[in-house]
Amino acid sequence: DAGVIQSPRHEVTEMGQEVTLRCKPISGHNSLFWYRQTMMRGLELLIYFNNNVPIDDSGMPEDRFSAKMPNASFSTLKIQPSEPRDSAVYFCASTTSDGISKLFFGSGTQLSVL
Amino acid sequence: AQKITQTQPGMFVQEKEAVTLDCTYDTSDQSYGLFWYKQPSSGEMIFLIYQGSYDEQNATEGRYSLNFQKARKSANLVISASQLGDSAMYFCAMSSMDSSYKLIFGSGTRLLVRP
Repeated sequence: DAGVIQSPRHEVTEMGQEVTLRCKPISGHNSLFWYRQTMMRGLELLIYFNNNVPIDDSGMPEDRFSAKMPNASFSTLKIQPSEPRDSAVYFCASTTSDGISKLFFGSGTQLSVL
Repeated sequence: AQKITQTQPGMFVQEKEAVTLDCTYDTSDQSYGLFWYKQPSSGEMIFLIYQGSYDEQNATEGRYSLNFQKARKSANLVISASQLGDSAMYFCAMSSMDSSYKLIFGSGTRLLVRP
């Protein structure tokens, strides 16, 4: 089992640039989550998809952030334009939605916006 | 609204001793699950243990056990026979059917195991 795959592992960009983070969930999982982790705010849920449909995006900080899930095996989180305060580790996680079950996390993307 | 509280920002434990990491939660949901995750310095999130709100027995996974006290709304993690590799951040989290299964995390406890 390949697990949740995120790319890139590290991203360094300049303020104002567009950043796209990618995620491939575990095959067969129909729920996908994007989290952001910072020292100040801990782990924050940004958005949650179920069967490729966004269910809860109340955690998305502002319009500069957008997320898509065009199919069951791929999701993107885009920041445009990026700002230094977006620097964080972004995690993707997946699970099945047939009851309460554990989340499987990817290795995360360390984003640094200069 | 759901809330997870971890009141211990950091803890020390001597190698081979047991340690308890505290977690309290707040919810009005009837059916929910409680989780603990470990995050070592390498950054990945590792699932440790799960307790369902209707489970009568406390969950155990090897050296990990979850001390579930429903009336007190607490779900403390007990690590027995601590090892140096247990040094990490530990996060308590909660999910419920009423909140569409999204997992909400506490602020975490950093555990350092002394040799």
